[in-house]
Order: sequence, then C-alpha cells, then structure tokens
Amino acid sequence: DQQVKQNSPSLSVQEGRISILNCDYTNSMFDYFLWYKKYPAEGPTFLISISSIKDKNEDGRFTVFLNKSAKHLSLHIVPSQPGDSAVYFCASFSSGTSYGKLTFGQGTILTVHP
Amino acid sequence: DTAVSQTPKYLVTQMGNDKSIKCEQNLGHDTMYWYKQDSKKFLKIMFSYNNKELIINETVPNRFSPKSPDKAHLNLHINSLELGDSAVYFCASSQTDGGHEQYFGPGTRLTVT
Repeated sequence: DQQVKQNSPSLSVQEGRISILNCDYTNSMFDYFLWYKKYPAEGPTFLISISSIKDKNEDGRFTVFLNKSAKHLSLHIVPSQPGDSAVYFCASFSSGTSYGKLTFGQGTILTVHP
Repeated sequence: DTAVSQTPKYLVTQMGNDKSIKCEQNLGHDTMYWYKQDSKKFLKIMFSYNNKELIINETVPNRFSPKSPDKAHLNLHINSLELGDSAVYFCASSQTDGGHEQYFGPGTRLTVT
C-alpha cells in the first residue's frame, strides 16, 4: 500500500529553467509534508517542508505547494542549477499516529543540464 | 564535524553471519531512527527510539534488533543474515519538540552473499 507516490521516475531540465517535482498522497491523516534531496552515496538532506494549514512555503529558490483537496504537493525550483541534480524524495507525516514515522515516495531523479 | 554518522559505510558478509551497524548523532536530538532503502529505492522506516525507548517497530523480522545505549547512539544488530537483507540502511535523528525534520546519516550499504 503505497501511500505516497512520485509518479515521475525522472525529470530533465535546462539550467535556468523551472523544475517541478510532483507528489501525490492517499492518506488524509497526513498533515505535514517534507522534501528531501539525495546525492549518490550520501544520506537524504532535508530541503523544505509545509504544514497542512498552509498551501505554500518558500525558501530561496525552492517553493513547495500543497493542494489538500487533490492530495497533491509539488516542489518548484527556480532557477534550476546543475548542482540541483539529485534524487528528490517527498515524505509525509501524520501527527496523530506513529510518532516520527515519515512515509516516503520512491523518488524522482532530477537532472539539470548546463 | 558530521551531525549523524554511521559505521561502517560498506559491509559485505556471507549468509548466516551476524553483523552490527553503529549510528551516532551529535545534534542533541532525542529521537533516532533506522530506515531501509531497498533495491526499488523505497525508504522505509524500521525502528524509532525516543530517549532510549522503542517507539516505532515496523514489521521487521526479529533477526533485526536495535539497541540504544544512550540518546546519541542507536545501533542495529542483524542476526543470521539473508540475501534479502542486502540494502542501504540509513540512520536518522530528530528533536521531539522541534519540527518534523529528520537528519540522515550517509548510509551503510550491506551486501549479503
């Protein structure tokens, strides 16, 4: 039962353009959402998060949008840079259930071409 | 000055052996986790400890036993290793009264032959 899905295994973008990574979830109990970035042979690094009481959170070049009715979130990276090339995971959390349990999507490989 | 560290980074062993992976965090966090990333790249939580107390224990074979000697350490011991245990194991930590962000170690790639 895959509660968090990232349906695009990969995304290729030109440097300077916008990267949009998508994530869908099925569990309506999720109330906090996070994006992680992962380079090869390293652990995931926290990028940005959003609470279900918001529909947008921005941090520099990174913006996360949440559409609760559609159970969909997206990560926008503007402008994209070659150093952004990595695997991006979305993760969801329910404060009402198992403490600390993050449920991850399967990841999207982002490649930013110079 | 690594925040969450794991040893070893690579571990190659034979079926039936017993092995341990160590994790330490110097962030002052009170909750630590073990995740498994399988061949399909899914990251799935295995265990969570809060102040040395087991909080989350997902459906994991009892050959896997976490041990937390103190808040800063969470080790993973695996008995009678099987081929299917081959994966990358990540340790993570977070602060209970902080956000929900978890900070991950670099991972341990376990290969069982």
